[in-house]
Amino acid sequence: SQQGEEDPQALSIQEGENATMNCSYKTSINNLQWYRQNSGRGLVHLILIRSNEREKHSGRLRVTLDTSKKSSSLLITASRAADTASYFCATDGPLNSGTYKYIFGTGTRLKVLA
Amino acid sequence: EAQVTQNPRYLITVTGKKLTVTCSQNMNHEYMSWYRQDPGLGLRQIYYSMNVEVTDKGDVPEGYKVSRKEKRNFPLILESPSPNQTSLYFCASSLSGFRRDLYEQYFGPGTRLTVT
Repeated sequence: SQQGEEDPQALSIQEGENATMNCSYKTSINNLQWYRQNSGRGLVHLILIRSNEREKHSGRLRVTLDTSKKSSSLLITASRAADTASYFCATDGPLNSGTYKYIFGTGTRLKVLA
Repeated sequence: EAQVTQNPRYLITVTGKKLTVTCSQNMNHEYMSWYRQDPGLGLRQIYYSMNVEVTDKGDVPEGYKVSRKEKRNFPLILESPSPNQTSLYFCASSLSGFRRDLYEQYFGPGTRLTVT
């Protein structure tokens, strides 16, 4: 089965710096989503990008998608201590594939130092 | 308040003792799902349900059962728990499983299960 993998596994930056994390996946997708998880709590949806989109913005978040390389990146600009969390990408299969699963990556642990 | 609730939040049990983790959502969502989260492995989907009476296996269904008799509820059943099912479990829901290109998942707070 496809598996999303985030890179790096862990990232530590200073407040105010930008944080970039990457996600790679193995099969064709219909959309890719990014989620945030604070310390073992439930995941919170951040942004969804469809396979026919290349870039999407939401506040301080910028997501890119390169379907030819099967990869996506999440950029958090001007990071804050409150951004400290784990970030996961999640992918699905094509709309008419007959499967309705989600595949999550292993996550990137981001630590923003004040 | 729109939410996904899970109970219990913490559970310690012994091998072989049947247990059920409940999940309920109040958003009239059609798609519901269970995940387990283990260190270094991310979230892995156990089962999902497209709507009432329609369920299907995710990537790690062995040792689990689910049922979807009502739209709002999607319980996870461990008939004979084993120590390798010790994990953090999340329930999630989404408006539609057919339109995953439009709708995100909403997650419950998690259930931390320990099987000794």
